[in-house]
Amino acid sequence: KAGVTQTPRYLIKTRGQQVTLSCSPISGHRSVSWYQQTPGQGLQFLFEYFSETQRNKGNFPGRFSGRQFSNSRSEMNVSTLELGDSALYLCASSLGGEGYGYTFGSGTRLTVV
Amino acid sequence: GEDVEQSLFLSVREGDSSVINCTYTDSSSTYLYWYKQEPGAGLQLLTYIFSNMDMKQDQRLTVLLNKKDKHLSLRIADTQTGDSAIYFCAGGATNKLIFGTGTLLAVQP
Repeated sequence: KAGVTQTPRYLIKTRGQQVTLSCSPISGHRSVSWYQQTPGQGLQFLFEYFSETQRNKGNFPGRFSGRQFSNSRSEMNVSTLELGDSALYLCASSLGGEGYGYTFGSGTRLTVV
Repeated sequence: GEDVEQSLFLSVREGDSSVINCTYTDSSSTYLYWYKQEPGAGLQLLTYIFSNMDMKQDQRLTVLLNKKDKHLSLRIADTQTGDSAIYFCAGGATNKLIFGTGTLLAVQP
């Protein structure tokens, strides 16, 4: 059974650009959530999607957005990148949210220069 | 607001038991999780406990939950060098996880 796949693994972008990260969940999982991990702030929740609907959103500016497709694959987009957006972005998939456990991907390491 | 605290560092000798502690402020979490993160990797789910349980054992791992004190612990028996990693506790609430700050476990041979 394939795990959670995140692409790309590494990304370098320039301040002011935008970026799109992709996450393919485990087959059959309908919930996808995104987290940002930085040395200073730790692991912070960005948003969660279930069957193409955003069910929960963390405390991040509107530059951070996401979506989920009918096949449960998800993308997150960050516009007008800032240096502080440099982080490891982790995606987690679940059958239906808490209580089912969350399986994480290996993450996308974004560096903004 | 929701907050989850962990000690930053724990050093043990190979073969000893490790105990990693976690305290949380939000008692509405239905499930409490332990994740492991190795360098350059994502998060690996180790185990989780339902909030109405006091203890769960899974091979070398034992989770203890004290709801009154809002305290969660993870005990790793017979700790091996391969257990060296950062360990995160997390509370599950409203389709999201609130993570602790992480505990770096260093296992000395």
